Amino acid sequence: KNEVEQSPQNLTAQEGEFITINCSYSVGISALHWLQQHPGGGIVSLFMLSSGKKKHGRLIATINIQEKHSSLHITASHPRDSAVYICAAQRGSEKLVFGKGTKLTVNP
Amino acid sequence: AAGVIQSPRHLIKEKRETATLKCYPIPRHDTVYWYQQGPGQDPQFLISFYEKMQSDKGSIPDRFSAQQFSDYHSELNMSSLELGDSALYFCASSLVGRIGPNTGELFFGEGSRLTVL
Repeated sequence: KNEVEQSPQNLTAQEGEFITINCSYSVGISALHWLQQHPGGGIVSLFMLSSGKKKHGRLIATINIQEKHSSLHITASHPRDSAVYICAAQRGSEKLVFGKGTKLTVNP
Repeated sequence: AAGVIQSPRHLIKEKRETATLKCYPIPRHDTVYWYQQGPGQDPQFLISFYEKMQSDKGSIPDRFSAQQFSDYHSELNMSSLELGDSALYFCASSLVGRIGPNTGELFFGEGSRLTVL
């Protein structure tokens, strides 16, 4: 079992839909990262969470430390949101443990 | 604001050649991580440095070596390149050793895409 599990693996949505991507982890963490990667592109850090909730534009990330669960929400989705979204767990200054990623396709 | 800079962005090499990738972290960041992402694969941790000393080692082949210099930039040296080394190599930097805004937050470079022919 992977230490970081994401669901769904693939997600197709229509423009304007509300999107949720889930992440569960089995290890104790100091921070949980949500990352975005466009095809053939670099990784962009969206959020780093250690508790609660963060919002940036149309993106919202939440984390429940007790349940070892985090969600990434995208409101009013747009085709330019199409990318792979990766959840990654960090323990102290240690390396990240990556989830498998969720491939999001938003159709116009 | 300055981000993590990686160079070169693209590199094409022949089998058995040598390649060097460079990573310039966010100014004042003390920790650098290297990751390798093969086609369609998750990023795999290679190695990390804290204050110019190796802090952790992952699945880095013996043919690869890395170091962090006095100005905190890091270089990943890859020798005897194989076809399987073709991948996107990411560098990330973080401030770990001092308390301040964004301590622990990771910032990623755009990556260096290595193609071995």
